Amino acid sequence: IVMTQSPATLSVSPGERATLSCRASRSVSNNLAWYQQKPGQAPRLLIYGASTRVTGIPVRFSGSGAGIEFTLTVDSLQSEDFAVYFCHQYENWPPTFGQGTKVEIK
Amino acid sequence: EVQLVESGGHLVQPGRSLRLSCAASGFTFISHAMSWVRQAPGKGLEWVSSISGSGTRTYTSDSVKGRFTISRDNSKNTVYLQMNTLRADDTAVYYCAGGNGDVFDYWGQGILVTVSS
Repeated sequence: IVMTQSPATLSVSPGERATLSCRASRSVSNNLAWYQQKPGQAPRLLIYGASTRVTGIPVRFSGSGAGIEFTLTVDSLQSEDFAVYFCHQYENWPPTFGQGTKVEIK
Repeated sequence: EVQLVESGGHLVQPGRSLRLSCAASGFTFISHAMSWVRQAPGKGLEWVSSISGSGTRTYTSDSVKGRFTISRDNSKNTVYLQMNTLRADDTAVYYCAGGNGDVFDYWGQGILVTVSS
């Protein structure tokens, strides 16, 4: 399953909302996760099951969607949110990732 | 506190072998599937291989099948990635990752493998 993320880069001002998209080449049901990766760091799991936030992840992060279209929304972006975000489907083997969306400061 | 610590990565010539290790702590190791995910310089994430908690089931990506082998020693809370016949396009940061299900809940800090003559 090919995962396609858009846009590749998103320029957002602090305090604004960021909306990231992830599309699957065929249905992955709700078996979709989102990860955040900062430079020089390992990815961190934010969301699984398309919309379930991991314990400790701020409520400004929310996931939605099912089937082939998914969205990660980050409300009121904080400085620590500027990073690369990856989606990951685990509906079918092999597990696959999107190519990432970089959220940068506008 | 969950910790995954990778080791064994370094510069290696094409065609040679390398074994990565990942020592786990802070969670019930045998209950978790473990995986290796890699990231080529400036690129995205690529799943490489996974192993079930018991070690009886393994899965490997087509890009490394026949060259890479995942294994685990539950008595040592350690997962391994044996990499043979390395190629330049295997150059990447290799992450050890674990999870209770099919998502990657925990990640190591990553270890760089450079394949170059």
